[in-house]
Amino acid sequence: NAGVTQTPKFQVLKTGQSMTLQCAQDMNHEYMSWYRQDPGMGLRLIHYSVGAGITDQGEVPNGYNVSRSTTEDFPLRLLSAAPSQTSVYFCASSYIGSLGRTEAFFGQGTRLTVV
Amino acid sequence: DQQVKQNSPSLSVQEGRISILNCDYTNSMFDYFLWYKKYPAEGPTFLISISSIKDKNEDGRFTVFLNKSAKHLSLHIVPSQPGDSAVYFCAASEGRGAQKLVFGQGTRLTINP
Repeated sequence: NAGVTQTPKFQVLKTGQSMTLQCAQDMNHEYMSWYRQDPGMGLRLIHYSVGAGITDQGEVPNGYNVSRSTTEDFPLRLLSAAPSQTSVYFCASSYIGSLGRTEAFFGQGTRLTVV
Repeated sequence: DQQVKQNSPSLSVQEGRISILNCDYTNSMFDYFLWYKKYPAEGPTFLISISSIKDKNEDGRFTVFLNKSAKHLSLHIVPSQPGDSAVYFCAASEGRGAQKLVFGQGTRLTINP
């Protein structure tokens, strides 16, 4: 089981460059989300999706775009990288199971440095 | 304003003893709570969850307690093992789906032999 796969694992960008962080899940989960984790802090929600074609902003959306054309993929785009976007990025997929159980599965993360 | 708080950045426990990790929240609309464990350079791994209609949920060595009136939850690990050494995150959600989790800052648990 691959679960949630994020690529790349590491990336260094120059200020002003753009790039796309890839995220794919093979569990047929309806929901997908992007979080960032900064030192000494918990994960903060950037954007999320409740299904193909439906996305919405989280707590820290500025500087990021998302789209969800398929159930499996949820890429995160950095439009013009800034040093403040240096962080570890986690993608997650989640579901509502039987008896209302819900759980989010996380990828291994992408460590991004903007210089 | 931080809606989910873990006030202990670190906790050290002897192997075999009980580890108790605490979490407080302020948003009364949260109705589902999850605990995650995280090792360095890995993504968070789900441990256990609890719905707001319950006050306790057990899964093996892990038990989560929820006190809604105090807006407080705790994770008990008994007995603690060296492999439990990690950072533990409390997370909360309004409604089902877990697509909009709000996380605490994390507590680093160290189990000493």
